[in-house]
Amino acid sequence: SQQGEEDPQALSIQEGENATMNCSYKTSINNLQWYRQNSGRGLVHLILIRSNEREKHSGRLRVTLDTSKKSSSLLITASRAADTASYFCATGIHDMRFGAGTRLTVKP
Amino acid sequence: EAGVVQSPRYKIIEKKQPVAFWCNPISGHNTLYWYRQNLGQGPELLIRYENEEAVDDSQLPKDRFSAERLKGVDSTLKIQPAELGDSAVYLCASSLAQGGSTGELFFGEGSRLTVL
Repeated sequence: SQQGEEDPQALSIQEGENATMNCSYKTSINNLQWYRQNSGRGLVHLILIRSNEREKHSGRLRVTLDTSKKSSSLLITASRAADTASYFCATGIHDMRFGAGTRLTVKP
Repeated sequence: EAGVVQSPRYKIIEKKQPVAFWCNPISGHNTLYWYRQNLGQGPELLIRYENEEAVDDSQLPKDRFSAERLKGVDSTLKIQPAELGDSAVYLCASSLAQGGSTGELFFGEGSRLTVL
């Protein structure tokens, strides 16, 4: 099965700083997706990047994909306390499998 | 438009009791997933439906877990009998598969199960 693995496991930063999370995966993909999960809630889709794309932006989010290294990164710029959450990458062709996530804490 | 609806949100039962979770996906979404999420971990896929057909149930513990998706819409996940290790959040998600690959997944809020 395909599964993303996020790094670091936990990240603590001050409000206004940038947060970078990384994801590695093992097999071929059609796309890679990033999700956010606030405590006690379901996952919310953030961004999807296709295998033929190298970079994608959405608001304060920037995602890169390097298929030769089987890795992706998620950058959140100018972080806010409300960005405090767990972030997961997910990979798959017919289904989506998730890693253990990065727990981001943004201190006000 | 309503999102993915799950019930109950919380359930506390004693071990060996049965429990069932219900999911109503987004209208028109042909693919439905059940995931289990343990504390501090990512979601683990239990079963995936394409319409009413279970196309991937390799991770479903079939001795005690069962699932169904009647008429390719709502789905029910059942555990009988429950064990202490089944305590987790059970997440339902749906998506509209396009071009043979999976697009964005829409998740419900989850059903948190505590087995005493």
